[in-house]
Amino acid sequence: SQTIHQWPATLVQPVGSPLSLECTVEGTSNPNLYWYRQAAGRGLQLLFYSVGIGQISSEVPQNLSASRPQDRQFILSSKKLLLSDSGFYLCAWNLAGFRNEQFFGPGTRLTVL
Amino acid sequence: GENVEQHPSTLSVQEGDSAVIKCTYSDSASNYFPWYKQELGKRPQLIIDIRSNVGEKKDQRIAVTLNKTAKHFSLHITETQPEDSAVYFCAASSLGGTSYGKLTFGQGTILTVHP
Repeated sequence: SQTIHQWPATLVQPVGSPLSLECTVEGTSNPNLYWYRQAAGRGLQLLFYSVGIGQISSEVPQNLSASRPQDRQFILSSKKLLLSDSGFYLCAWNLAGFRNEQFFGPGTRLTVL
Repeated sequence: GENVEQHPSTLSVQEGDSAVIKCTYSDSASNYFPWYKQELGKRPQLIIDIRSNVGEKKDQRIAVTLNKTAKHFSLHITETQPEDSAVYFCAASSLGGTSYGKLTFGQGTILTVHP
């Protein structure tokens, strides 16, 4: 069966510090991968998605970036965090061309101070 | 692109009552409509979905209806229980083509079921 992992689970970082969040999927090949951000009490904002290794599409302009160095690995990064980057970051996957149900990871709660 | 509007933003019901959450979408090419439940601090999880070739789907106490002409779909929860309290998100997507499996989410409904 498929499993999706995210780490770390929680993170407290000072403004201006770098960020690296990691997401890995097990038990499937060539998944579509997604990064979402959820501010407190708000909806799900799609940040990036990827349909293959090295292929990244950005949905919103911001100081975040994403990379997909391996088929089942998706990384969210920032060189300098802003206060507004605080939130709950969710990674998700689904199978390309099959059905669009997305499976979410457990999330990373980021607090920027 | 697709735009999904969800109402109400908050919904409070008594245990045993029914709850209805409605969503409208803008892109007539959308043909897949999932509903997710997110408990506090947890990940969203799929509770039911519907494709545009059917008008209604039921799974025990939950059901989803779809009106393609009017471009709206609704989640119905009957005999609500306190454990149904959560945030519910609707979403829309187009299967295949260049959608790449992306979902466009509504803004969410906070459902509170009072014992």
